[in-house]
Amino acid sequence: AQTVTQSQPEMSVQEAETVTLSCTYDTSESDYYLFWYKQPPSRQMILVIRQEAYKQQNATENRFSVNFQKAAKSFSLKISDSQLGDAAMYFCAYGAGGADGLTFGKGTHLIIQP
Amino acid sequence: DVKVTQSSRYLVKRTGEKVFLECVQDMDHENMFWYRQDPGLGLRLIYFSYDVKMKEKGDIPEGYSVSREKKERFSLILESASTNQTSMYLCASSRRYSGGLNTEAFFGQGTRLTVV
Repeated sequence: AQTVTQSQPEMSVQEAETVTLSCTYDTSESDYYLFWYKQPPSRQMILVIRQEAYKQQNATENRFSVNFQKAAKSFSLKISDSQLGDAAMYFCAYGAGGADGLTFGKGTHLIIQP
Repeated sequence: DVKVTQSSRYLVKRTGEKVFLECVQDMDHENMFWYRQDPGLGLRLIYFSYDVKMKEKGDIPEGYSVSREKKERFSLILESASTNQTSMYLCASSRRYSGGLNTEAFFGQGTRLTVV
């Protein structure tokens, strides 16, 4: 079974600074998707960014970018110019074929210091 | 925009009660999921449905069942609620692409269930 590991239960960053959240995964598949989801206190899970494994180029969405290292099975999220609204739980997720749905990590609680 | 709606945000039930959690999506997605979220454990898949009347067990199906009679609706059933089922329940849906990969899921707002 696939596993997703987020080794940082909690991270803190000053407003306007840059922070990187780590994620590693384990799979024997060659084709899959990776995601970062944000869950603010309102509880609604929101997709932040998506990466397709067959694409070498790292995905970027405004202030959010990823560093995808397929051989190392690493998928980190970089948030630039952190804002107070970025405070949330962040979940890394993996999706391949079959009936497994998405496999999630345990999450990283991101705190933004004003 | 995709909308996934869960019938309740908060629910309090007694031990032994039969509990229904309802989820509706409006984007004609083939796949629907029920996850359970607990602090420190992330999201764990309870059940997955890839078509009407079709279901697959996830990682933690014990004590739960599901029903999908219509494409847009996926229900989670706790046959006899127990205190260890107190948790946050998240419903999600996604499109099934021809390549068969599980791509992004869209989530409901969650139901916080307390069993007393």
